[in-house]
Amino acid sequence: ETGVTQSPTHLIKTRGQQVTLRCSSQSGHNTVSWYQQALGQGPQFIFQYYREEENGRGNFPPRFSGLQFPNYSSELNVNALELDDSALYLCASRMTGESYEQYFGPGTRLTVT
Amino acid sequence: DAKTTQPTSMDCAEGRAANLPCNHSTISGNEYVYWYRQIHSQGPQYIIHGLKNNETNEMASLIITEDRKSSTLILPHATLRDTAVYYCIVLSSMYSGGGADGLTFGKGTHLIIQP
Repeated sequence: ETGVTQSPTHLIKTRGQQVTLRCSSQSGHNTVSWYQQALGQGPQFIFQYYREEENGRGNFPPRFSGLQFPNYSSELNVNALELDDSALYLCASRMTGESYEQYFGPGTRLTVT
Repeated sequence: DAKTTQPTSMDCAEGRAANLPCNHSTISGNEYVYWYRQIHSQGPQYIIHGLKNNETNEMASLIITEDRKSSTLILPHATLRDTAVYYCIVLSSMYSGGGADGLTFGKGTHLIIQP
């Protein structure tokens, strides 16, 4: 069974640029969520994708967007990067209909300069 | 979702049981208690969850008080690798069916296992 994987591991971008982060969900999991974790804080929910559609969103602006593909993998896109977007971005997958037992990937560390 | 309160940090000696408390006094009848932990520089890891009854798995035990206003996560024989931030999260059962508000992580308890 393959766990949740994310790429890239680290990324450095300049303010105003755009970034795409990628996530492969655990085998058999059809629901993917994305979280942002600033240094010293707990993860904050960005949004969730199920059946290739966003079906839930946290308190994040529209410049945070995503996609889910037929194989359940997912992308997180952030436009017009701001310095405060520097964080660890975590992807989590689970099987909808079961418990909220989510499996997290190792994260992508994004630094915006 | 109900709010949770956890101590900021705790120490425990290696080999002893680590007991991590969580207060969730506003929990409602359909809300589960979930525990996750995050080891430094890794993604959070699911530990255990429960509704009313005590639960045990290979990682830990979860004791929920009869009034469900608090719970304790027990790591029976703590090792140095259990040093992590432990998050107690309360979540409505409706979310397990596909509702999508995500997990609300607070600041958690930083558990330090001392050699």
